[in-house]
Amino acid sequence: DAGVIQSPRHEVTEMGQEVTLRCKPISGHNSLFWYRQTMMRGLELLIYFNNNVPIDDSGMPEDRFSAKMPNASFSTLKIQPSEPRDSAVYFCASSFRGANNNEQFFGPGTRLTVL
Amino acid sequence: AQKITQTQPGMFVQEKEAVTLDCTYDTSDQSYGLFWYKQPSSGEMIFLIYQGSYDEQNATEGRYSLNFQKARKSANLVISASQLGDSAMYFCAMRALLYTDRGSTLGRLYFGRGTQLTVWP
Repeated sequence: DAGVIQSPRHEVTEMGQEVTLRCKPISGHNSLFWYRQTMMRGLELLIYFNNNVPIDDSGMPEDRFSAKMPNASFSTLKIQPSEPRDSAVYFCASSFRGANNNEQFFGPGTRLTVL
Repeated sequence: AQKITQTQPGMFVQEKEAVTLDCTYDTSDQSYGLFWYKQPSSGEMIFLIYQGSYDEQNATEGRYSLNFQKARKSANLVISASQLGDSAMYFCAMRALLYTDRGSTLGRLYFGRGTQLTVWP
């Protein structure tokens, strides 16, 4: 089992550019989560999907952020246009909704730096 | 609103000793789950232990145990026989129900701000 796969692992971009983060959940998992981690705000959920459908996107900061899950094995988080305050580590996590403990398996994260 | 509080920004423990990391939570839901994750300096999030709100027994996983006191709304993590490799940031988290117009479903994970544990020889 490869675990949750995220790409890229590191991204450095200039303010105003579009950034796309990618996630491949664990095969068979039906829930997918996008988190952002910063020193100031800690870990915060941006959005999550059940069976490819967005369930709770109340954590998405503003319209510059969008997330899609076109199928069960792929999701993207897009920031357009990016700003320096978006610099953070972005985690994708997946879980199986019927699992007894609902453990979320985290990917390695994407460290985003916006200059 | 859901809220997780970890009051210890940093903790120090000597190798082979036990340590307790505090976590309190605030929820009006009856059904919820409590989690602990470990984040070493390499950055990945590692699941440690889970406790369901209806579980009567405290959860245990190897050297980790969760001291669940429902009336006090606390879910402290106990690490026994600390090892140098236990040095990391530890996050407490809670997952409660999300209520929608179609009923309830499992909601998001709410995380505390974390406790940095340092194990010294």
